[in-house]
Amino acid sequence: AQKITQTQPGMFVQEKEAVTLDCTYDTSDQSYGLFWYKQPSSGEMIFLIYQGSYDEQNATEGRYSLNFQKARKSANLVISASQLGDSAMYFCAMRELGRGSTLGRLYFGRGTQLTVWP
Amino acid sequence: NAGVTQTPKFQVLKTGQSMTLQCAQDMNHNSMYWYRQDPGMGLRLIYYSASEGTTDKGEVPNGYNVSRLNKREFSLRLESAAPSQTSVYFCASSAQGQPNTEAFFGQGTRLTVV
Repeated sequence: AQKITQTQPGMFVQEKEAVTLDCTYDTSDQSYGLFWYKQPSSGEMIFLIYQGSYDEQNATEGRYSLNFQKARKSANLVISASQLGDSAMYFCAMRELGRGSTLGRLYFGRGTQLTVWP
Repeated sequence: NAGVTQTPKFQVLKTGQSMTLQCAQDMNHNSMYWYRQDPGMGLRLIYYSASEGTTDKGEVPNGYNVSRLNKREFSLRLESAAPSQTSVYFCASSAQGQPNTEAFFGQGTRLTVV
């Protein structure tokens, strides 16, 4: 079973609008972390935001916020006031606490290609 | 402030050739990773090293070997390259694999096997 599921291969949003990128995860660990990365067309992986499983508040970083619904095992990324430069591939990832050799493994979803149009 | 350095950035191999992708990090991280990225597949873990001296297979280890040479360096070797190994390869590192530590990525290696 996939650890991270991103069901939206592509999303389109108009400049200055908000957009939500979906992510669901699968784990039986109590302690885990959820991450979002951005990959522009240049190819580098850029860390955006982190949410810990014990954090009660949703994480925010500037225009990025993470809508964390623990019971539903979802960790959606919300980008407010979209900009043309937000056009990129976005990956959701999870790290479980793990055991032994699986300690700290980082699992990625398949990504969502976001296109921002003027 | 180098972070994670991967070499080479681009490589073309003929089927059956071997090569080693090099990765080094200067952040004193314990955990290091090799991923491959293919269109529509996201990043898939090839091998993982939780600390110096330990390595573990990921989702797609077949056709690859790794060496955690020391704390800084984690290399990926293709012994006999196949066209199916055409991909973009990323090395990453993170602090001791606690859930709240982000991974830092190298710039990637674009490998084509013909």
